[in-house]
This record gives sequence, structure tokens and C-alpha cells, in this order.
Amino acid sequence: GAVVSQHPSWVICKSGTSVKIECRSLDFQATTMFWYRQFPKKSLMLMATSNEGSKATYEQGVEKDKFLINHASLTLSTLTVTSAHPEDSSFYICSARVSGNEQYFGPGTRLTVT
Amino acid sequence: AQSVSQHNHHVILSEAASLELGCNYSYGGTVNLFWYVQYPGQHLQLLLKYFSGDPLVKGIKGFEAEFIKSKFSFNLRKPSVQWSDTAEYFCAVTITGGGNKLTFGTGTQLKVEL
Repeated sequence: GAVVSQHPSWVICKSGTSVKIECRSLDFQATTMFWYRQFPKKSLMLMATSNEGSKATYEQGVEKDKFLINHASLTLSTLTVTSAHPEDSSFYICSARVSGNEQYFGPGTRLTVT
Repeated sequence: AQSVSQHNHHVILSEAASLELGCNYSYGGTVNLFWYVQYPGQHLQLLLKYFSGDPLVKGIKGFEAEFIKSKFSFNLRKPSVQWSDTAEYFCAVTITGGGNKLTFGTGTQLKVEL
């Protein structure tokens, strides 16, 4: 099956710094990837849709200048959390659209901002 | 906007018991429906999906779900659970023309006891 990886799996950073999270489709090309945020004991909330070669589409309420998304190739999308603050601490999950309506998910990245 | 509700937040069953997890969505148009499972420490995996056709869909690991359009429901069932089914289960929906964006329910934590 399709495999999606994320790196790093967990990261701790100081408040005010930026951190980049990578999402890769390992054995297929993905023109569309999605970024989700999962709060403890809550569901996944879609943050943005990342399309290769074009600007990401952000969901309402998501700050595009804070959560920078780049989809420079058909196998890589990155999410950069800029000027991170403790409230940005969360579990970030990406997915890649395989075909039609199906998505494969990465294992997630745990971000802790101190 | 569409929404998904899962009424059971925590379910505890003994091995061999039957399982039914409720899922209801709110949207008046055409939808695609999914059930995902997240085993402890692992990424989201697709259990089954419904796009069209037979409203009773069978997925992996003995799971099935029935789409009842009149009730806006897509309940997940398994006749006999195993300890290894302990996981979190998410119902999700995409809408036709919605850019394949998944809207997730809040999840149901299932614990199967020996």
C-alpha cells in the first residue's frame, strides 16, 4: 500500500523559534497533500490543503503566515510553524491523496513548544 | 458546512462481544464516507469506505459498515471483537465537489478486554 512518512516524529523547540515538518510520499506521487492538527483526546482538524506547485489553501481560522506550507515536489510537502508558542504544541499529521477520495496518512509529528 | 458526530466516546467490550459504533453526519448532498482506525502509537489506517452502490460495505479485519441515507448514518460493526481491536476509531466524510477534504468525527476509543 501507499506509504507516507513524516519527519521528525517528535520535536521540542523554544518559544519564538521556527520548526519545519516534512511529509513524504514514499512510493507514489501526490499532487495533493493535507495537513491536520490533532489535539489531545480530540479529532483531527484540517489545517490546509497543499497542492504541488501552487499555494496552499488554508481552512478558516488557520493563520497562513504562521503555518507556512510548501509543496515543492510531487513527493514532499513541508509545514513550517513560525515563531512557535506553547499553544502551538500539538500533534501534526499529514496525508496524501492517492486517487479519487482516498488519503493515506503519515505517522504524525509531536511538537512541544517550551 | 458538513459535520460528523460519533456518540460513543469510550467503549469497553470483552473479547468475542459484538461491536457497533455510531456515526452520523450532517450534509444534504452527496457524501463519501470512511472509517479510520488508529492503533496505539500508529498512524491512521483506512478500515473501509463507501462511495456508492451497495450500502453495506465490508472492510479489513472483519469490519463492516452500513450507509443508511435516510438516517444520515454510517455505523461500524464487527460481530466478534478481539483484544487487538483496541484502538481509536474515526468516522469521516468528504462531500462531492469539496476538494476531497475529510471532516472527522471526534473518535471513539475502544478497549477490548480479555
